[in-house]
Amino acid sequence: KAGVTQTPRYLIKTRGQQVTLSCSPISGHRSVSWYQQTPGQGLQFLFEYFSETQRNKGNFPGRFSGRQFSNSRSEMNVSTLELGDSALYLCASSFRTPDNSPLHFGNGTRLTVT
Amino acid sequence: DQQVKQNSPSLSVQEGRISILNCDYTNSMFDYFLWYKKYPAEGPTFLISISSIKDKNEDGRFTVFLNKSAKHLSLHIVPSQPGDSAVYFCAASVTGTASKLTFGTGTRLQVTL
Repeated sequence: KAGVTQTPRYLIKTRGQQVTLSCSPISGHRSVSWYQQTPGQGLQFLFEYFSETQRNKGNFPGRFSGRQFSNSRSEMNVSTLELGDSALYLCASSFRTPDNSPLHFGNGTRLTVT
Repeated sequence: DQQVKQNSPSLSVQEGRISILNCDYTNSMFDYFLWYKKYPAEGPTFLISISSIKDKNEDGRFTVFLNKSAKHLSLHIVPSQPGDSAVYFCAASVTGTASKLTFGTGTRLQVTL
């Protein structure tokens, strides 16, 4: 069974640009969550999508947005990039039924903002 | 405010011995706890979880203990193997928001020969 797939693996962008990251969940998983990992803040929850609807949101500015498609694939967008947005962005999927099913993570997209 | 804390940034254990990784939490609403292992350049891999209605859960070499009164959980790995060398994260969530995990800062485990 294929795992969570994230593309691209690496990205280099310039401050002020925008970026879109893509995530394909494990087949059958309907919930997709996004996390940011930085050396200073650790792993932090961005948002969760389930059945194309945002269900939960973390404490990130509105520059961070996402969406989910009918096939459960998800994209995350960051607009007006700042140097502090340099991070590993991780996508995770789960069945979400029962509610406490563990998240399965992809290998992430490493974003560098210069 | 760090709601989930792993106070030991690193731990070194000999192969074959027991590894004990600790985690403390402050939010009494947390009722589901997980441990993840992470290798460099890879995403976290789920290891084991425990619900707050239990105080112990076992899966092969991995056992998680939960002490709700102390708001403390621990992961025991017996016996430790060199392939266990990785960064271990504990995470917690509240039922109903299970995808919104709060992670600890991680403990780097090194298993030596």
